[in-house]
Amino acid sequence: QLQLQESGPRLVKPSETLSLICTVSGGSISSSSYYWGWIRQPPGKGLEWIGSVSYTGTTDYNPSLKSRLTIAIDTSKNQFSLKLSSVSAPDTAVYSCVAQSSSTWGWFESWGQGALVTVSS
Amino acid sequence: DIQMTQSPSSLSASVGDRVTITCRASQNINNYLNWYQQKPGRAPKFLIYAASSLQSGVPSRFSGSGSGTAFTLTINTLQPEDFATYYCQQSYSSPWTFGQGTRVEI
Repeated sequence: QLQLQESGPRLVKPSETLSLICTVSGGSISSSSYYWGWIRQPPGKGLEWIGSVSYTGTTDYNPSLKSRLTIAIDTSKNQFSLKLSSVSAPDTAVYSCVAQSSSTWGWFESWGQGALVTVSS
Repeated sequence: DIQMTQSPSSLSASVGDRVTITCRASQNINNYLNWYQQKPGRAPKFLIYAASSLQSGVPSRFSGSGSGTAFTLTINTLQPEDFATYYCQQSYSSPWTFGQGTRVEI
């Protein structure tokens, strides 16, 4: 069974870049069965899909974040990453990495435990 | 973007009750609808895909139905471990979007 774990700074200053890494275990990130993505949840609010990357490096981004977003994959380390630039207070959220099924219905099958990232000076 | 709207936002129920949660899409999404359960401080758990197909290991008291723009999640004989927040999610077109959640509380 896939396990995902987020790592990275939990406190980011306004205007700087939020960077997180997701390490995948229990399976290969080179699998064509999944897309590897990020979802965030501001405190007390709902879920927002950020974007995803395939094992080939093809990305799909939420247009609302696209101009500030980079998601990349490192198959040699079984990891993928998130970079969100020019952050501000509304970017404070729990950031979760996810494995999204590449099947027709594209469900989010496995989730990391989540990392609360606070944007504050 | 496809907007997903859940109702109610919260509901109170008792163990043994039957609970129904509604999810509506802003356009036709056929059956590209998934459901998740989230408990406080935990990552969401995937329950149902294709509107009505249970993920392996999900208890049969959970069921989903609907197509097009209107969907329901039903929990028969509510158990103590079912008190949580439930989200619908459309997988018809990117960007993938979620409903705002329905909190099921005692």
